[in-house]
Amino acid sequence: EPEVTQTPSHQVTQMGQEVILRCVPISNHLYFYWYRQILGQKVEFLVSFYNNEISEKSEIFDDQFSVERPDGSNFTLKIRSTKLEDSAMYFCASSEETSFVGDTQYFGPGTRLTVL
Amino acid sequence: AQSVTQLDSHVSVSEGTPVLLRCNYSSSYSPSLFWYVQHPNKGLQLLLKYTSAATLVKGINGFEAEFKKSETSFHLTKPSAHMSDAAEYFCVVSERGQAGTALIFGKGTTLSVSS
Repeated sequence: EPEVTQTPSHQVTQMGQEVILRCVPISNHLYFYWYRQILGQKVEFLVSFYNNEISEKSEIFDDQFSVERPDGSNFTLKIRSTKLEDSAMYFCASSEETSFVGDTQYFGPGTRLTVL
Repeated sequence: AQSVTQLDSHVSVSEGTPVLLRCNYSSSYSPSLFWYVQHPNKGLQLLLKYTSAATLVKGINGFEAEFKKSETSFHLTKPSAHMSDAAEYFCVVSERGQAGTALIFGKGTTLSVSS
């Protein structure tokens, strides 16, 4: 069964460093998403992406964040200058384009980001 | 704005007994509602989805949920718990029921199953 994959599973970085989290969505899906879950808190929406541009973003997704579809398979989240409060589990998700099922999002296993 | 409230942060049951995980939602639109499960060190797996076709929705692993508009509830049930059901469960609402929009998560309910 097709699934969303994410790399790395765990990333440790120093405050102020740039990190790139990588995701491979399900191959026939056209919408891509990033969510995060700070330890002990809710899963929060960051951004959705379609046709090579951001379709929706939350207040959390400020200028230090960016997303990119660098090729036909990968979808990345870049954090330019990490802060301690960026430590969280980051989930990638993807969904089909059709309006009936397009809101069903399939999630990857997550990348745990630890900022020291 | 949409929101989801999971009424129990932790539910403990014995193996073979029924499971009830409670969820209330708030939505300005006709919502799409989901239950996701997260096993330790695993990703979020879709259990089931409500899309207005039928109020009683059957999912994987024997779980089902009933949409009750009058009570704005979408409780998850299973007749008989199994040890493998121990996990974190999330009730989720889709803001506009269409591709590209944010999913709004509840805080989660941890289900413990004892033998």
